[in-house]
Amino acid sequence: GENVEQHPSTLSVQEGDSAVIKCTYSDSASNYFPWYKQELGKRPQLIIDIRSNVGEKKDQRIAVTLNKTAKHFSLHITETQPEDSAVYFCAASTGNQFYFGTGTSLTVIP
Amino acid sequence: GAGVSQTPSNKVTEKGKYVELRCDPISGHTALYWYRQSLGQGPEFLIYFQGTGAADDSGLPNDRFFAVRPEGSVSTLKIQRTERGDSAVYLCASSARGRGNTGELFFGEGSRLTVL
Repeated sequence: GENVEQHPSTLSVQEGDSAVIKCTYSDSASNYFPWYKQELGKRPQLIIDIRSNVGEKKDQRIAVTLNKTAKHFSLHITETQPEDSAVYFCAASTGNQFYFGTGTSLTVIP
Repeated sequence: GAGVSQTPSNKVTEKGKYVELRCDPISGHTALYWYRQSLGQGPEFLIYFQGTGAADDSGLPNDRFFAVRPEGSVSTLKIQRTERGDSAVYLCASSARGRGNTGELFFGEGSRLTVL
């Protein structure tokens, strides 16, 4: 099955700086790559996603890049704010199952 | 409903007991997923339903775990002879399927299971 690895496991940045989280996947059939944000005690919520026919997607301060050849994708958050503090999960999907990374705990220091 | 609903939100049980966890997906969503999340880990895939049938149950850890979705809507995850290692948050998610859907998973708040 699919194996998704995510790094780093923890990340601290100063408010206003950028944060980058990286994931790799193993199954070349995966074609959909969502990112979820999970605040403490809350449900994971989708923040951005990308499909395999696109190399980059941006939504305000959040962007995701995908390198299909290398099988890796990254989340970029610019101008970080304290409310960005949460655990972020990447996932890879072939269209049926979704396989998640182990998460990155992001702390934005005011 | 407005979102994915899971009950109970918290369940404490003793080792060896039987537990049922319920998931009510978003109305009209044909795909339903169960995940297990341990502290500090990502959601671990358990089982996926498309309609009433289990399309993939390869994530169920052993035969103590079973899930049903008899009418293609509400699903129940059943755990027999619970063990302390079963303690985790069990997340349910649903997704619209079909032409043009985004594939986005909508998660419930989870059922926190504690086995003493």
